[in-house]
Amino acid sequence: DAGVIQSPRHEVTEMGQEVTLRCKPISGHNSLFWYRQTMMRGLELLIYFNNNVPIDDSGMPEDRFSAKMPNASFSTLKIQPSEPRDSAVYFCASSFGGTNTEAFFGQGTRLTVV
Amino acid sequence: AQKVTQAQTEISVVEKEDVTLDCVYETRDTTYYLFWYKQPPSGELVFLIRRNSFDEQNEISGRYSWNFQKSTSSFNFTITASQVVDSAVYFCALRGTYKYIFGTGTRLKVLA
Repeated sequence: DAGVIQSPRHEVTEMGQEVTLRCKPISGHNSLFWYRQTMMRGLELLIYFNNNVPIDDSGMPEDRFSAKMPNASFSTLKIQPSEPRDSAVYFCASSFGGTNTEAFFGQGTRLTVV
Repeated sequence: AQKVTQAQTEISVVEKEDVTLDCVYETRDTTYYLFWYKQPPSGELVFLIRRNSFDEQNEISGRYSWNFQKSTSSFNFTITASQVVDSAVYFCALRGTYKYIFGTGTRLKVLA
C-alpha cells in the first residue's frame, strides 16, 4: 500500500511567488497534519485536519499560509506570497482513528525561497 | 503544557557499541501516547514504536529496546550493537489529544 505522497519533492521559487504543496494521505486515514521542519525550530505543527475539517490552525505562521482539504484523499498547503524565511522542509502526515495511533509521514517537500 | 526534551543533541559511537537515547516528557494528561521516529539522511520520518501511558512494559524488537518509566517521565531508546545504518536523527514524540509534540531530536553517528 502506498504511503503518504507529497509533491513536489523539491521546490525553488523566488520571493513573492505563490507556492502550493500537495499531499495525498494514506487511504482510509481520517487525520491529516502539516508540519514544518527547520534547524532553528525543529518540527512544528502548522495545521491539523480531522475528517477533512481544519481543527487546529494555530500553528500557521501568518495569513500568507493557507491549507485546504477538499476531500479525504487530497490536501494543499499554499504560501502566498512566499518569503526567504519560509524555506524549510514541509511534511504531510496522516493517521487513522483516535489519539492512540501513529502518524505516517510523507517524504517531505524541501522548499527554498530565494 | 506538553513538552518533550531530548537533551542529547548529538551522539557518536563506534560500530557495535550500545547506545541509549534519552527522552523526557511533560504532560498533564492522564492518558497519552509516546512515539519514536527515525529520520535517516534521506530525510523521511520513519515510525519506530508507540507506547501508551498505561503500559510500562519494556519492549524489545531486534536490536532496539525501549524503557518507559512513568515515575521519571522518561521513554528511553536503546540500540544494541549499533550499525552504521543506524546513523540518523531520532525523534521522541508525545501525543495527548491530537497533536504530536516532537522533541528536538538526537543525531546519532555510528562510526565504522
